[in-house]
Amino acid sequence: TQLLEQSPQFLSIQEGENLTVYCNSSSVFSSLQWYRQEPGEGPVLLVTVVTGGEVKKLKRLTFQFGDARKDSSLHITAAQPGDTGLYLCAVYRSGGYQKVTFGTGTKLQVIP
Amino acid sequence: ETGVTQTPRHLVMGMTNKKSLKCEQHLGHNAMYWYKQSAKKPLELMFVYSLEERVENNSVPSRFSPECPNSSHLFLHLHTLQPEDSALYLCASSRTGNYGYTFGSGTRLTVV
Repeated sequence: TQLLEQSPQFLSIQEGENLTVYCNSSSVFSSLQWYRQEPGEGPVLLVTVVTGGEVKKLKRLTFQFGDARKDSSLHITAAQPGDTGLYLCAVYRSGGYQKVTFGTGTKLQVIP
Repeated sequence: ETGVTQTPRHLVMGMTNKKSLKCEQHLGHNAMYWYKQSAKKPLELMFVYSLEERVENNSVPSRFSPECPNSSHLFLHLHTLQPEDSALYLCASSRTGNYGYTFGSGTRLTVV
């Protein structure tokens, strides 16, 4: 079993549609991060959420951390082809250094 | 140059070859990481270096040998690899605290 399960695994939508992807776990986390990875590149950090129930917005992207800090969602409004990529959630594991565990990922394709 | 730079971007090697992957960061980060990304699998943490000391080795086969000569450079030495080692190898760096990773663009490795 994976620590972080993301759904759906794949999503193909038309430009202009809205979508939501999810990151779920049975564990409680102090914070959670979302990354986007474009084809042929490494993941890029989008946001970190730290408080249960927290909502953060980044242009057309809205991130929410669950009240119990076990799950998170990413909502994209009016998707554009530039949003195409692999969306990864990740959590910081405690230790003397920063150790991040990644979820299974959601592969998004936005068709023009 | 800013960010995390990985070279080469693409590498094809035979199972009897020896090659090295290079990673460089000038962000002032004090931790560096190697991750393996295979199709249909989450990002797998391979090695962690904190302040140039290896602090984690996630049961990686000995045919992968990391080296961190200073806080800005990280290498992954490869020898007698197997075809199943073909993957995208990502380097990342971070600083103390929950600030997330900065990833390089990766090396696409194919073992033939």
